Amino acid sequence: EDKVVQSPLSLVVHEGDTVTLNCSYEVTNFRSLLWYKQEKKAPTFLFMLTSSGIEKKSGRLSSILDKKELFSILNITATQTGDSAIYLCAPIYGNKLVFGAGTILRVKS
Amino acid sequence: EPEVTQTPSHQVTQMGQEVILRCVPISNHLYFYWYRQILGQKVEFLVSFYNNEISEKSEIFDDQFSVERPDGSNFTLKIRSTKLEDSAMYFCARSNQGYGYTFGSGTRLTVV
Repeated sequence: EDKVVQSPLSLVVHEGDTVTLNCSYEVTNFRSLLWYKQEKKAPTFLFMLTSSGIEKKSGRLSSILDKKELFSILNITATQTGDSAIYLCAPIYGNKLVFGAGTILRVKS
Repeated sequence: EPEVTQTPSHQVTQMGQEVILRCVPISNHLYFYWYRQILGQKVEFLVSFYNNEISEKSEIFDDQFSVERPDGSNFTLKIRSTKLEDSAMYFCARSNQGYGYTFGSGTRLTVV
């Protein structure tokens, strides 16, 4: 059975802190892994990672994939209150996404 | 502006009634999906639809569910005889040949 485990389950930090969110997966026929941010409704796309060891960066967010060890991390530097959300990791299995339970991030001002 | 529009944004229905959730993907992508998220739980895959046919479905997608693309644009999820446990957010998504998934804004279904 495909498995995606995200840690920590929840995290409370202060503005300006740096956070690292973890995602480990056991997914057959792995193709790529996606990170999403979910606030009130739909997940919004952050990154798609296909190759090991290549960091993807967007502003204060960055992510990297390790296909040998089957995990990915999402880093957020200089956190802001607007970063408060659920962060979802989802490997692509075949043509579908298999979601983890998410990490709830709360950034306090 | 969202690339995938879902209607309605919220639907309340009585147990046993049929509901149709609609999705209008603006692009010409061939891959479409329905996912659902029960409050406080994971986003779960329901069904994928490719070239106007179901390509894969999950165990959740039983006989009470059906999908179709009746007019080549709208993509619908029908739930026959709704149950209380069908209450969830339902998301439509599209992808470009299995990459670059974009989710719609979702329909919150409440079964009473």
